[in-house]
Amino acid sequence: GAGVSQSPSNKVTEKGKDVELRCDPISGHTALYWYRQSLGQGLEFLIYFQGNSAPDKSGLPSDRFSAERTGGSVSTLTIQRTQQEDSAVYLCASSLVFGMGETQYFGPGTRLLVL
Amino acid sequence: LAKTTQPISMDSYEGQEVNITCSHNNIATNDYITWYQQFPSQGPRFIIQGYKTKVTNEVASLFIPADRKSSTLSLPRVSLSDTAVYYCLVGPRDSSYKLIFGSGTRLLVRP
Repeated sequence: GAGVSQSPSNKVTEKGKDVELRCDPISGHTALYWYRQSLGQGLEFLIYFQGNSAPDKSGLPSDRFSAERTGGSVSTLTIQRTQQEDSAVYLCASSLVFGMGETQYFGPGTRLLVL
Repeated sequence: LAKTTQPISMDSYEGQEVNITCSHNNIATNDYITWYQQFPSQGPRFIIQGYKTKVTNEVASLFIPADRKSSTLSLPRVSLSDTAVYYCLVGPRDSSYKLIFGSGTRLLVRP
């Protein structure tokens, strides 16, 4: 594809429900990153993937958060038993290879609202 | 990662040059400085990256003094479309797994 795509673009859910957020990176990009941005705040790094593996998951806010990547492409961020404080924009980015020297291309984000 | 400090907001007028300074007193030897731009309801977009002295591309210039404890993003002749949040990010080039964006600088360009 031309850029990073994310779905859904908006998600409203009830407290306690599980949600799945999807990210399709740019074709051929081996590195994939998940971030969270709360209203008026900067980006908070969550997790990154090199291929299908996630070497460091310590950025995930709690054990209710998990992410996986299959086939070195699509990634899913899952939030179990959502809480109101999970409401934020979840952004996905990809880069050709891993590293800060590589330009990260961001998707439009998924706006999650937990009622 | 080195903590960064930027002004919360800046105002400018069309056609002016805008300089946004970022302080990073604890920058490490192998850290690079990267700037991103974010428009409302969009993901951030890479602007420029540098290690020392000056870097220039078609969008901006990045000035880094010898001690590297600060950096200045320079936007020449801003237009209304440059109204956005600008983030300064500091970290090692090959181990960015804990990237942390601060609150950034909100630039408002007025007619």
